[in-house]
Amino acid sequence: AQSVTQPDIHITVSEGASLELRCNYSYGATPYLFWYVQSPGQGLQLLLKYFSGDTLVQGIKGFEAEFKRSQSSFNLRKPSVHWSDAAEYFCAVGAWDNFNKFYFGSGTKLNVKP
Amino acid sequence: DAGVIQSPRHEVTEMGQEVTLRCKPISGHDYLFWYRQTMMRGLELLIYFNNNVPIDDSGMPEDRFSAKMPNASFSTLKIQPSEPRDSAVYFCASSKGLAAGYFGPGTRLLVL
Repeated sequence: AQSVTQPDIHITVSEGASLELRCNYSYGATPYLFWYVQSPGQGLQLLLKYFSGDTLVQGIKGFEAEFKRSQSSFNLRKPSVHWSDAAEYFCAVGAWDNFNKFYFGSGTKLNVKP
Repeated sequence: DAGVIQSPRHEVTEMGQEVTLRCKPISGHDYLFWYRQTMMRGLELLIYFNNNVPIDDSGMPEDRFSAKMPNASFSTLKIQPSEPRDSAVYFCASSKGLAAGYFGPGTRLLVL
């Protein structure tokens, strides 16, 4: 069965510092992987997605993520965090045989210190 | 494009009442999803449609929940009768082809 684990519930970083949010998945084949961001009171916005090819994918707002098959991970990174990045981030996996059915992680809340 | 539109944005109702949530997907998208988000359970997929046809409703919690998509530009999620444990944020999302779901702003439902 597919599953997504985001081990960090809350993360606090200082503005300008680098960021890495962890995501591990469980799936029997190559999954489709996604990162979404949710600002307070808002819906989810797609940051980036991985389907195949280059394992380092670039997204919007300066985010990137790297797919590591050997570690079953798809960690989200940003070299320099801005205060406006404070939000909740969700990793999601789409099944190969039912690619439009997402499984979401529990989310990581990012707090940015001035 | 206006994105995915949901109404109402907020709904407060009393236990036992019928609740209807509405969604207008992005034009041209052929998949529509209904999700529920709670603190305890996170984001859960309730049901999704392809070309207006329900494909998988295994996430619908019980018979009190029903969803319809009468045409490509409109879907409803109905709860009858509503219960306090249904209080959550309900998201509608749509996509075209391979998964890259665009989410609406959500409906915050509070059942008293």
